[in-house]
Amino acid sequence: DQQVKQNSPSLSVQEGRISILNCDYTNSMFDYFLWYKKYPAEGPTFLISISSIKDKNEDGRFTVFLNKSAKHLSLHIVPSQPGDSAVYFCAASAFLTRSEKLTFGTGTRLTIIP
Amino acid sequence: DGGITQSPKYLFRKEGQNVTLSCEQNLNHDAMYWYRQDPGQGLRLIYYSQIVNDFQKGDIAEGYSVSREKKESFPLTVTSAQKNPTAFYLCASLGGRINSPLHFGNGTRLTVT
Repeated sequence: DQQVKQNSPSLSVQEGRISILNCDYTNSMFDYFLWYKKYPAEGPTFLISISSIKDKNEDGRFTVFLNKSAKHLSLHIVPSQPGDSAVYFCAASAFLTRSEKLTFGTGTRLTIIP
Repeated sequence: DGGITQSPKYLFRKEGQNVTLSCEQNLNHDAMYWYRQDPGQGLRLIYYSQIVNDFQKGDIAEGYSVSREKKESFPLTVTSAQKNPTAFYLCASLGGRINSPLHFGNGTRLTVT
């Protein structure tokens, strides 16, 4: 049973435009959410997080939105750059503000077209 | 620089052999984790340890074993009982501060033939 779902395996976006990556979850106990970026043959690197007490968190070009009633979150990247081409994983935790026992989605491969 | 070192980067073994993947961290983190990545399946939790000499099974622990004798080290043994051992294995550690993210090593690609 996939508790964290990323329904789009891939996404292509023109350089300079907005990239929107989506994630849905089913477990209502999840209260802390993170996005990781991963290049081939490397470990994931942390991008941005949000706790369930917020509905938006921004860090530079990256913004994460959380809709608790819909159990949905999204990552917006504006403007998209070629270096953003990678696989993006959504992850969730049931330990508010703690990344313990993260459950990961299956990932979305983002390709930025120059 | 502090970080997590996984070695080797690529590992090849024959079916039926046990193999141990190394993970060392110098971040002074108490908690360490092992995840497995397969194509189209994201990362799945194998084992985790929140303190020295203690560890817990994750979602897919069958066919794996771990030890945590030192804070810095959390080796993973893939035994011959693991039915599909070929995968990309990722070690991670977690600090104690609020909002501290999981830090990952660069992984070991294990191929069993």
